[in-house]
Amino acid sequence: QQQVKQSPQSLIVQKGGISIINCAYENTAFDYFPWYQQFPGKGPALLIAIRPDVSEKKEGRFTISFNKSAKQFSLHIMDSQPGDSATYFCAATPDTGRRALTFGSGTRLQVQP
Amino acid sequence: DTGVSQDPRHKITKRGQNVTFRCDPISEHNRLYWYRQTLGQGPEFLTYFQNEAQLEKSRLLSDRFSAERPKGSFSTLEIQRTEQGDSAMYLCASSRSTQNTEAFFGQGTRLTVV
Repeated sequence: QQQVKQSPQSLIVQKGGISIINCAYENTAFDYFPWYQQFPGKGPALLIAIRPDVSEKKEGRFTISFNKSAKQFSLHIMDSQPGDSATYFCAATPDTGRRALTFGSGTRLQVQP
Repeated sequence: DTGVSQDPRHKITKRGQNVTFRCDPISEHNRLYWYRQTLGQGPEFLTYFQNEAQLEKSRLLSDRFSAERPKGSFSTLEIQRTEQGDSAMYLCASSRSTQNTEAFFGQGTRLTVV
């Protein structure tokens, strides 16, 4: 059962453009939503996370938008750079992050110079 | 703080053999998680520990899989009678047990069953 659906599967963006990745979840018990970045041969690394009591969180060039009623959240990467080329995973977990993560299937982002 | 360490980084084994992986979490982290990641997919939860207690196991963790964390520090994941379908990246993560805490991942052990 896929509880977190992620799209698109792959994304090509020009340098300086905006990258947008979307996720939708089913389990209403989820209350902590992190995004992870993964480079080839490396483990995932946390980028930014949000709780459902806020609709948006921004850290540098990365912004999460959260729509609790639609059970959807998205990652926006502003001013995308070639160094952002990686695979991005959304995730969700209940119990304010103290349980295991359920990951989306990933989005492979390529930022062209 | 050297991060989460996993050993070995790569393992090639013949079908039917047993393999064991080790994870050393960040020292002050009392939670330790095991995930499996296949090519082109997100990590899938296998099991997690709080200190030495194994609190949850996924249905993905068949009888051939066993995990331990005997002293609440490092953990081992053993796969018995490996099958080709076990080929994957096995990721370990650790965290504190407080709210909204970040889970830090190791670089994983890539298993290839031939």
